[in-house]
Amino acid sequence: DQQVKQNSPSLSVQEGRISILNCDYTNSMFDYFLWYKKYPAEGPTFLISISSIKDKNEDGRFTVFLNKSAKHLSLHIVPSQPGDSAVYFCAASDWGAGNMLTFGGGTRLMVKP
Amino acid sequence: EAGVTQFPSHSVIEKGQTVTLRCDPISGHDNLYWYRRVMGKEIKFLLHFVKESKQDESGMPNNRFLAERTGGTYSTLKVQPAELEDSGVYFCASSPPGIGIGANVLTFGAGSRLTVL
Repeated sequence: DQQVKQNSPSLSVQEGRISILNCDYTNSMFDYFLWYKKYPAEGPTFLISISSIKDKNEDGRFTVFLNKSAKHLSLHIVPSQPGDSAVYFCAASDWGAGNMLTFGGGTRLMVKP
Repeated sequence: EAGVTQFPSHSVIEKGQTVTLRCDPISGHDNLYWYRRVMGKEIKFLLHFVKESKQDESGMPNNRFLAERTGGTYSTLKVQPAELEDSGVYFCASSPPGIGIGANVLTFGAGSRLTVL
């Protein structure tokens, strides 16, 4: 009964191309969504977020899109760089229930030079 | 500014032994969380402190796990007695006071890897 799912365990992309990471959720009470990046032997690092009142948020090379009707969000990285190679976690929270984050299983992104 | 610090980085113990993990959050962060990642799967919530009070401990697996945050500063997570399925990486995170944007952006520590043999 995973409430946040990342169905692609891994993704390989050529340097300079676009990386698209997907995330689906089932809990309609979620109203804030975040992406975290994790390198080996480090903790997850916050990347970008979006609230449910928006459908897009952009920060440099990173853009998050939210489709509430489909309960789907995606992270676009353009252009992809080798340093972007990491595990990306999608997370969601319900403000009314406090600050707890529910994470997906992660997608390992490999950007090839 | 110092980040979230966790100790030890790696602990190897035998089944039945006790282990205590420590987390020092970012100064001024009232919210402190413990999460766990087992076998490369999703990062699962364990519990949430607001200052010294347990706000939500719905993710704690069983009564072998005990978390404390005396004085609302650092926190400890004790596993006693440890079982094989407790192996994993235990992450601590903290966030600023309040609820909503800002408080929802958690800063994570590097994690404490626990191996139970």
